[in-house]
Formats: sequence, C-alpha cells, structure tokens
Amino acid sequence: LAKTTQPISMDSYEGQEVNITCSHNNIATNDYITWYQQFPSQGPRFIIQGYKTKVTNEVASLFIPADRKSSTLSLPRVSLSDTAVYYCLVGDLAPGKLSFGAGTTVTVRA
Amino acid sequence: NAGVTQTPKFRILKIGQSMTLQCTQDMNHNYMYWYRQDPGMGLKLIYYSVGAGITDKGEVPNGYNVSRSTTEDFPLRLELAAPSQTSVYFCASSLSGGGTGELFFGEGSRLTVL
Repeated sequence: LAKTTQPISMDSYEGQEVNITCSHNNIATNDYITWYQQFPSQGPRFIIQGYKTKVTNEVASLFIPADRKSSTLSLPRVSLSDTAVYYCLVGDLAPGKLSFGAGTTVTVRA
Repeated sequence: NAGVTQTPKFRILKIGQSMTLQCTQDMNHNYMYWYRQDPGMGLKLIYYSVGAGITDKGEVPNGYNVSRSTTEDFPLRLELAAPSQTSVYFCASSLSGGGTGELFFGEGSRLTVL
C-alpha cells in the first residue's frame, strides 16, 4: 500500500495559483493518483485522477513526473470557495486498500 | 439522479444501543464503501463491498457489521454502541474498484454516542 505525504496546511490569496505536492515514494506500477476535495460537513468530492505526465480538467491540473514518486495538484486562480481539505490518494483496483490521510487544509484569504 | 443517499443525517445513541445507518445509490455501481471520519482526521475504511452478496473488512471493522443484499443498498449496523464510535460516517460508491475510479460520497451521518 503506497503511503502518501502531503503538507498539513497551506495559505493563499484570491486569484493566486495553489500547488499542493504529494509524495508517494513506494507507488506501484498499477497505482493511479487521485485527488479529492472536502468542504466542512460534506463528503469528499473527486477533483482529478492521473497515471503519468499531466492531466487537466476544468478545475485543476495534475502534474506527475516520470518516476511517479510525487504528484502536484495545481488550482489556478483560487477563490474563497476553494477553501477546503485536499486529499491525495494512491491505489490500484483493490477496493479495500484505498485510504485517506489527513489531507492538506487550504485556506484562501481575500 | 440522487447519487448516494444516507439516512439519518444526525443521531444520538446511548451506550449499548444499536442502530443501522442506511445507504442507497442509484448509479448501478458495484462497489460500495463505508468510511468514518473523526474530527480533524482523514477517512478510515470500515467495510466495503464489490457487489451484491460480497462484503469485506476495511481498516477499522470492529464494532460494525454490513450486508449487501441488493446492488443499491449497503447498510451499516452498529451493535452495542460505544463512545469511540462517535464520528461522522460516509457511504460511497464507485463504478470501478479502488484507486482507479471516482468515488461518489453521500452527505454523511453524524453519530454521537453518550
């Protein structure tokens, strides 16, 4: 089971780009990297998923270097509503091994 | 499409009481999960199911039981409630297993055991 390490918290201001890096040194060949966002009193919500290189969707980009030992979630031009906890998950098809760490609390200030 | 629906949203139990948290999904997902989240912590997997009639333990199964008689429903049973089970419980479902698919979460059930 690949262990992930991410910063406990990050502060930013509206309009800035936020980059959260997750370390997963023992990632396995079949593992995918997925990021979730969680607001207070809500369940986590899927943001983006990737296997290698770069993935972009309407809300974020995910950068994965060639060795896949880390990944960076990039949130462009954040707003106050992006204040949330962000989780990095690494896993394969095995449903019983997917766990959420403590995540990164991102606080966006005006 | 309602997605994943959990009931009740809030519940207070006395020590030793039992209850069932209900979870229903309307997306025809084979995979379903129960997580618990303690204050300021991440989510820990309690039980999961890969299809009707098939369930398995996650990271913290003690004190809980599950069943999966249909694709749609995945109830979580708490027997002999203890203060340590005070938590927010989230049910989730996915089309593909584990880390390769998107997990869809319910809104959570906040349980307090006094």
